[in-house]
Amino acid sequence: DVKVTQSSRYLVKRTGEKVFLECVQDMDHENMFWYRQDPGLGLRLIYFSYDVKMKEKGDIPEGYSVSREKKERFSLILESASTNQTSMYLCASTTGPQETQYFGPGTRLLVL
Amino acid sequence: AQSVAQPEDQVNVAEGNPLTVKCTYSVSGNPYLFWYVQYPNRGLQFLLKYITGDNLVKGSYGFEAEFNKSQTSFHLKKPSALVSDSALYFCAVRYAGKSTFGDGTTLTVKP
Repeated sequence: DVKVTQSSRYLVKRTGEKVFLECVQDMDHENMFWYRQDPGLGLRLIYFSYDVKMKEKGDIPEGYSVSREKKERFSLILESASTNQTSMYLCASTTGPQETQYFGPGTRLLVL
Repeated sequence: AQSVAQPEDQVNVAEGNPLTVKCTYSVSGNPYLFWYVQYPNRGLQFLLKYITGDNLVKGSYGFEAEFNKSQTSFHLKKPSALVSDSALYFCAVRYAGKSTFGDGTTLTVKP
């Protein structure tokens, strides 16, 4: 089975801190994604990556950056955390455009 | 631009009754359509997908969905609901490699 893991299930940070969220998948998937999930807003795409060292902006990239140095790992970075970035963050991976996205368990981030 | 609408925030059904969770989409070409389920404090789990072919797609846990191109709909159905089906359900459309998700529908199945 495909396994997507995220470094933390729950995280509490202070405003202005730099925050790293890490995602690792074990199925050699080319494509990886970061979403945030907020009540009533569904999932919104922050960034995605089709290959190592490649990244594309999603619908809401402002305030975020990403890093993909290795195929299995996709990191989301909050350069200076703000309270409006309090959310559930979900990582996903897939092999191609027709294929199912496999999701990690999510990281619930609280920014105080 | 592509979009997905799940017109009902909440669906309530009694155990043993059939259930339907509605989804409509808008996309310029031929889409790939997915349903996912999310249990509390968990990530999304894949239920089923439509790529091409038969309009009735069968998936996990007894769920199925019917693709209707003329109505641009992809409603999720189950003939007999279980209490354990209670969860948050997301419809998604993928086109040109990008996924767009609906806002989600909370399904509550009462004993």
